[in-house]
Amino acid sequence: EPEVTQTPSHQVTQMGQEVILRCVPISNHLYFYWYRQILGQKVEFLVSFYNNEISEKSEIFDDQFSVERPDGSNFTLKIRSTKLEDSAMYFCASSAQERTQYFGPGTRLLVL
Amino acid sequence: GQQVMQIPQYQHVQEGEDFTTYCNSSTTLSNIQWYKQRPGGHPVFLIQLVKSGEVKKQKRLTFQFGEAKKNSSLHITATQTTDVGTYFCAGRYDYKLSFGAGTTVTVRA
Repeated sequence: EPEVTQTPSHQVTQMGQEVILRCVPISNHLYFYWYRQILGQKVEFLVSFYNNEISEKSEIFDDQFSVERPDGSNFTLKIRSTKLEDSAMYFCASSAQERTQYFGPGTRLLVL
Repeated sequence: GQQVMQIPQYQHVQEGEDFTTYCNSSTTLSNIQWYKQRPGGHPVFLIQLVKSGEVKKQKRLTFQFGEAKKNSSLHITATQTTDVGTYFCAGRYDYKLSFGAGTTVTVRA
């Protein structure tokens, strides 16, 4: 069964450093999403992406965040200058035709 | 902003008992989806409800979407230890899902 994959599974970085989280969505999906989940809290929407542009973003997704689909398979989330409060599990998801979103296993980001 | 409220936050259930978790939105939803997240895992899609008043069943799980498409419930009958985890509802607004805070279920044998 096709699935969303994410790399790395864990990332530790120093405050102020840039990180790039990578996702490979399910191959025939057209809609891509990033969510984050701070430890013990609910899943929070960050951004949705369709047709090579952002379709919606939340108030969390400020200028420090950016997304890119650099090629036909990868979907990346970049955090330019990480802050302590960016520590969270980041989930990528994809869907076909605005239907069910399938989540990847997540990247656990720890900012020190 | 658009928010989905979910209660209860925690549910401790005796094995074999039933329980229900509820979600409410202040605005009308396009649809509502339910996910289950096991400890340390990622959200796994359970079901999507689209139509007003829709009811769907998956074995011991019954999902309901309100007539006004602003609320939903998940009812689990005869709880088993495999039901342990956090159940999230997620209301769809345009392109994004707004997740409820989740109901974390523990089961005592």
